[in-house]
Amino acid sequence: ETGVTQTPRHLVMGMTNKKSLKCEQHLGHNAMYWYKQSAKKPLELMFVYNFKEQTENNSVPSRFSPECPNSSHLFLHLHTLQPEDSALYLCASSQDSAGGREKLFFGSGTQLSVL
Amino acid sequence: GENVEQHPSTLSVQEGDSAVIKCTYSDSASNYFPWYKQELGKRPQLIIDIRSNVGEKKDQRIAVTLNKTAKHFSLHITETQPEDSAVYFCAASLSGGYQKVTFGTGTKLQVIP
Repeated sequence: ETGVTQTPRHLVMGMTNKKSLKCEQHLGHNAMYWYKQSAKKPLELMFVYNFKEQTENNSVPSRFSPECPNSSHLFLHLHTLQPEDSALYLCASSQDSAGGREKLFFGSGTQLSVL
Repeated sequence: GENVEQHPSTLSVQEGDSAVIKCTYSDSASNYFPWYKQELGKRPQLIIDIRSNVGEKKDQRIAVTLNKTAKHFSLHITETQPEDSAVYFCAASLSGGYQKVTFGTGTKLQVIP
């Protein structure tokens, strides 16, 4: 499969649960991102990884914990979430080249509902 | 930091008419302005982008214009078709690094057959 793949597509969890979101990119890109998409709000950047190293943490609460074992895989570990964390979580990747870094390739997202 | 405002939030047009979506940005250092299209239940996809050394760029029925002095840029869709119905996001960033791409709030475009 090509492109950016996210699993699961849908997730319902209680506030005391622990779950993980997975993202895999087959594009040979070097940078990976987590974005949060809430209704009527701009896409919010959460984390950026460049060559497996975290280069951006956009003041995200510690109940969200990212992990990037290699340039192709990105995880978002979730624990003790709040109902306001319910949103679509999008993974994206980009290529480390002049004129390529800003062009984001998105996955289809995980629709998260926190009860 | 950068702030991007996008208008209108919703837009309905008759098939065949043109649609225009406008965005403003706050950081004069921003020099890269992409537009993403997100169809219902699907991923956002880059449809066109423009850099600050260019005033206009066209790709078939879509075009983007940039006014650096006024710090605003616009997406123009001509001869709209039902498949153009989607949410469109503008964004602004400083090219060259793993910088933040700041998005607008989105415009839901509905093309009425």
